[in-house]
Amino acid sequence: AQTVTQSQPEMSVQEAETVTLSCTYDTSESDYYLFWYKQPPSRQMILVIRQEAYKQQNATENRFSVNFQKAAKSFSLKISDSQLGDAAMYFCAYRSLLIIQGAQKLVFGQGTRLTINP
Amino acid sequence: GAVVSQHPSRVICKSGTSVKIECRSLDFQATTMFWYRQFPKQSLMLMATSNEGSKATYEQGVEKDKFLINHASLTLSTLTVTSAHPEDSSFYICSARIVGAREQYFGPGTRLTVT
Repeated sequence: AQTVTQSQPEMSVQEAETVTLSCTYDTSESDYYLFWYKQPPSRQMILVIRQEAYKQQNATENRFSVNFQKAAKSFSLKISDSQLGDAAMYFCAYRSLLIIQGAQKLVFGQGTRLTINP
Repeated sequence: GAVVSQHPSRVICKSGTSVKIECRSLDFQATTMFWYRQFPKQSLMLMATSNEGSKATYEQGVEKDKFLINHASLTLSTLTVTSAHPEDSSFYICSARIVGAREQYFGPGTRLTVT
């Protein structure tokens, strides 16, 4: 079974600076999706960024970018120019591409709580 | 964009009663819906996966007779917590996905308190 590990329970960063959140995963599959979700105090899950494993190019969405290292099974999230609104829990997640029962579920990491210091 | 709603957002019930939570996909047809449970400061724990018109698939350790899931249409899934007890108090989140789509779309969650 796939597992996702986020080794940083909490991180903090000064406003306008850059922070990187770590995520590693374990899988025997070659094709899959990786996601970063944000959960602010409202607890609404928000998709931040998505990476397809078959793509070598790292995904980027405005201030958010990933460093996807497939061989190392690492998927870190970099937030540039941190803003107060970025404060939230961040979850890394894995999803298989296999079309079999149970394979399509998201496997979440434990989460990292990000604090932005003004 | 794809919107998923949940109702109610908060519910308080007495121990021993049952409570139903609705999850609706408002602007798309969801072939698959997922129900999660989240304890404070913890990650989301998948409870079950439901496909429209078929029985839900429950994760190991989740009591199917206690957490009844129905996915009767492509836009509605319900989670019924039967004979609720205080330990069932938690935050319940649903999400929905169109077959073949990459993302899941999450509802805003329901906070259940059992007194």
